[in-house]
Amino acid sequence: DTVLTQSPALAVSPGERVTISCRASESVSTGMHWYQQKPGQQPKLLIYGASNLESGVPARFSGSGSGTDFTLTIDPVEADDTATYFCQQSWNDRTFGGGTKLELK
Amino acid sequence: QVQLQQSGAELVKPGSSVKISCKASGYTFTSYDMHWIKQQPGNGLEWIGWIYPGNGNTKYNQKFNGKATLTADKSSSTAYMQLSSLTSEDSAVYFCVRGVRWFAYWGQGTLVTVSS
Repeated sequence: DTVLTQSPALAVSPGERVTISCRASESVSTGMHWYQQKPGQQPKLLIYGASNLESGVPARFSGSGSGTDFTLTIDPVEADDTATYFCQQSWNDRTFGGGTKLELK
Repeated sequence: QVQLQQSGAELVKPGSSVKISCKASGYTFTSYDMHWIKQQPGNGLEWIGWIYPGNGNTKYNQKFNGKATLTADKSSSTAYMQLSSLTSEDSAVYFCVRGVRWFAYWGQGTLVTVSS
């Protein structure tokens, strides 16, 4: 299985720039996608194909990376961005990262 | 618009089975893979497998071989997942998700609680 590793938590102030990382145990090319999940809700697709913004998602969100190292950037962070963010790869079946919980100071 | 409507919460006994449903609307059901995802309380997401309703082809995460069985009814545009030999480790929210490589459309989730 392709294992995806994310930092468990981050805390930032509104208006700042935050980067959330995801490292794959093997290359997934650009087959990496990002989701936002708020408590009690289903995950919401933010970024697909490593860097493509899903329709309707604010341009404050962006993604980058290829191979094994990927980043989701939120700039600037807003209060409503408090959530858990998951990466997911589609190069080798499907696996998800453990999630990064973003809290605002 | 694409909608995936899942069946309601289930309380089931250890050792039993449960079958949850996912009714699709707003698109051609037979043209897209349907995936199933597991999320335990406070935990991350696990991919269970997918079914292509057009021909019934399936693929499973090895971890769920023998645990989950995916089926689809083209006449009612409904996908099903049966979970067998349930234990407390199967207590979770289960999502049906339309997608191929990434998942843009999610059901609301079905909570399965395994308890005697």
